[in-house]
Amino acid sequence: QKEVEQNSGPLSVPEGAIASLNCTYSDRGSQSFFWYRQYSGKSPELIMFIYSNGDKEDGRFTAQLNKASQYVSLLIRDSQPSDSATYLCAVPGGSYIPTFGRGTSLIVHP
Amino acid sequence: DTGVSQNPRHKITKRGQNVTFRCDPISEHNRLYWYRQTLGQGPEFLTYFQNEAQLEKSRLLSDRFSAERPKGSFSTLEIQRTEQGDSAMYLCASSRDTGPGELFFGEGSRLTVL
Repeated sequence: QKEVEQNSGPLSVPEGAIASLNCTYSDRGSQSFFWYRQYSGKSPELIMFIYSNGDKEDGRFTAQLNKASQYVSLLIRDSQPSDSATYLCAVPGGSYIPTFGRGTSLIVHP
Repeated sequence: DTGVSQNPRHKITKRGQNVTFRCDPISEHNRLYWYRQTLGQGPEFLTYFQNEAQLEKSRLLSDRFSAERPKGSFSTLEIQRTEQGDSAMYLCASSRDTGPGELFFGEGSRLTVL
């Protein structure tokens, strides 16, 4: 059973701060990792993906991958109230079917 | 690109009744997925189609659940003899046939079983 673990939160940060969201996975063979954002009452939407060890930056978002530790994280710089959402980590397995973590709820307060 | 369309958006039914959900994926996407999501949890995989072939089913999927994708276009998910534990958001997603990639989700169909 492939597992993807996330702290459910909520993670509360002040506006302008860096939010750090973490995810661990059980399958050492996993090659790609995705972060989805889900606003309350809405469906998930992709915000970042990463395949290689190290950092990948896209605007205010940075994904970090450490395959040796089976750990992937998402950093959100200059957090805004509009970033308040649940962030889902997804790891594709066989047939590229993603297994999702339970998600971390992020609250950015003014 | 009209996105992934699901209907009905909401369904309230009595225990023991059958319900059917429909998903229309993005037209050029060969892969179609059904997930279930309950409050406070991430999406849980139910089943996966590549074109019209159902290639994967979750071992957690009860025999009361059946899914089809005739002609590799739209898909239906039927739940027979619904139980209160079936109450959830049923999400459909589609993706291109080129390795691991982005899933595009529909708005979901929320089922409430009384």
